[in-house]
Amino acid sequence: TQLLEQSPQFLSIQEGENLTVYCNSSSVFSSLQWYRQEPGEGPVLLVTVVTGGEVKKLKRLTFQFGDARKDSSLHITAAQPGDTGLYLCAGSTGGGNKLTFGTGTQLKVEL
Amino acid sequence: ETGVTQSPTHLIKTRGQQVTLRCSSQSGHNTVSWYQQALGQGPQFIFQYYREEENGRGNFPPRFSGLQFPNYSSELNVNALELDDSALYLCASSYGQGRQEKLFFGSGTQLSVL
Repeated sequence: TQLLEQSPQFLSIQEGENLTVYCNSSSVFSSLQWYRQEPGEGPVLLVTVVTGGEVKKLKRLTFQFGDARKDSSLHITAAQPGDTGLYLCAGSTGGGNKLTFGTGTQLKVEL
Repeated sequence: ETGVTQSPTHLIKTRGQQVTLRCSSQSGHNTVSWYQQALGQGPQFIFQYYREEENGRGNFPPRFSGLQFPNYSSELNVNALELDDSALYLCASSYGQGRQEKLFFGSGTQLSVL
């Protein structure tokens, strides 16, 4: 069974702070995605990384895929209240889009 | 707004009953995947349908079954409901099953089993 462990599980910070969320597995994934989910909604895709060592930036968010394609990180610079939500990493193996989701990181950014 | 609609939004059932959840995929999408998300956890893959055929299944018992219709909409059926089936059930549609095909999730059906 493939598992994706995320840390921390909960994070409460003040507006303007930086943070990093980690996603780790003992399995190799062909691609890894990051989603954000808000209450009462489904997850929304933020980014897909497919190459070991790949780094992608989306405004204040920086995503990195580990060299061995077993882990990933999400770094948010100068967090804003609008960043509040559940952040999920999700990996796929082979050539398909059936996803194994991580355990989730609940982020709360306060004014 | 993803264009993926699920119904009903909320449902309360008692243990032992059966339930059917529905999903309308985004226009042009031929693949539907179902996920179960327990409170405070990440979604777990139930199964995927591609062009009306089951195309992969997660670690769920046979009482979880599904259908995909010619218009690519889908149903998830759960028989003999158990208390642990209480969860948010998410449907996601995509154009195809390849890893590059982005999943678009609906807002889910919140199922409570009493």
